[in-house]
Amino acid sequence: DADVTQTPRNRITKTGKRIMLECSQTKGHDRMYWYRQDPGLGLRLIYYSFDVKDINKGEISDGYSVSRQAQAKFSLSLESAIPNQTALYFCATADRGRSAITDTQYFGPGTRLTVL
Amino acid sequence: GENVEQHPSTLSVQEGDSAVIKCTYSDSASNYFPWYKQELGKGPQLIIDIRSNVGEKKDQRIAVTLNKTAKHFSLHITETQPEDSAVYFCVCKGSTLGRLYFGRGTQLTVWP
Repeated sequence: DADVTQTPRNRITKTGKRIMLECSQTKGHDRMYWYRQDPGLGLRLIYYSFDVKDINKGEISDGYSVSRQAQAKFSLSLESAIPNQTALYFCATADRGRSAITDTQYFGPGTRLTVL
Repeated sequence: GENVEQHPSTLSVQEGDSAVIKCTYSDSASNYFPWYKQELGKGPQLIIDIRSNVGEKKDQRIAVTLNKTAKHFSLHITETQPEDSAVYFCVCKGSTLGRLYFGRGTQLTVWP
């Protein structure tokens, strides 16, 4: 979805380096998410944010940190990258909407990160 | 948290045949069950969803069924086409506000 952009799309780095992945959205959504995808494991939630002042840990937050700089921007950082953080990373957004039941998430195109 | 089991992990069918993907979940408070399709090189995209007060929903060639008592739900694709080839994820919205829980995915391949 072009409304959710991720930069960079591909990144190769070395063990121990600090890496930042960025996500921007023009959908005007208040909720933003970072997921990690590994083959055969589906999508696992790293962090999520319901607004600029709200940050929550997901299932696998160890080794990661996030920053919600504005409603439209949500960055994921790897303070000291390690090889098992090699994965496909997705940013997603969602709107609180009028219904509390649905929570459609809109995904960016992904960032492929390789840690050597 | 919620635990979502998805089967099979891979599925190959001939064009025109039907495909069925099944999922189970653990949290009886889950009340919303979307399905996402991920094409190669792209992010997942919602294709259909069902709420807990509905047992079945259909949209053209795809349908979803939900059995809340047994805590399982399924995706049915009829008259499959090569462009249906993708990874499909079943998802639950559990009791934690704003959280979605993904199954591990099914790689569907439709052979022409």
